[in-house]
Amino acid sequence: KAGVTQTPRYLIKTRGQQVTLSCSPISGHRSVSWYQQTPGQGLQFLFEYFSETQRNKGNFPGRFSGRQFSNSRSEMNVSTLELGDSALYLCASSLATGQGPNEQYFGPGTRLTVT
Amino acid sequence: GNSVTQMEGPVTLSEEAFLTINCTYTATGYPSLFWYVQYPGEGLQLLLKATKADDKGSNKGFEATYRKETTSFHLEKGSVQVSDSAVYFCALGNSGGYQKVTFGTGTKLQVIP
Repeated sequence: KAGVTQTPRYLIKTRGQQVTLSCSPISGHRSVSWYQQTPGQGLQFLFEYFSETQRNKGNFPGRFSGRQFSNSRSEMNVSTLELGDSALYLCASSLATGQGPNEQYFGPGTRLTVT
Repeated sequence: GNSVTQMEGPVTLSEEAFLTINCTYTATGYPSLFWYVQYPGEGLQLLLKATKADDKGSNKGFEATYRKETTSFHLEKGSVQVSDSAVYFCALGNSGGYQKVTFGTGTKLQVIP
């Protein structure tokens, strides 16, 4: 079974631009979560999508948004990029059976650099 | 809210040494606890998990026991190898069906031959 894939793997953008990152979960997984990883703040939860609905949201400004499609693929968008948005963005998918938190399977991440 | 505190790194050990990485948590209800590992240039991989008090998770020689009385989930391995060099994250999952997971700051482990 193929793992979680994220595209692109690397991205360089300029302040003020916007960016869209993509995540394809493991086949059959219905939940997709997004995390931001930085050396200073560590791993921070952005949001989780399940059946095309956002179920959970972390403490990030409205510039960070996401969506999930009917095939469970997810995208996250960051508008009006700031230097501090430079980070590794990780996507994780899960079966989400409803029996408590299930194991999350992570993709390799998208390394975003904002100049 | 939920939080996870794990020991600062980096931790440097010689091959075959005993490893302990401390992790304590604060949570309401009955969370599940996880250890994830991140090798250089890769995403996180689930190493082990425990879903209720006194459960012991184990995998690849690593172990951790869910201690509700001390709110701890320390990671241990009896004999580390160079290939264990990575960053280890302790994490807590809320007890509902949602997938929000709170991570610790990570502990970098370097094992030298």
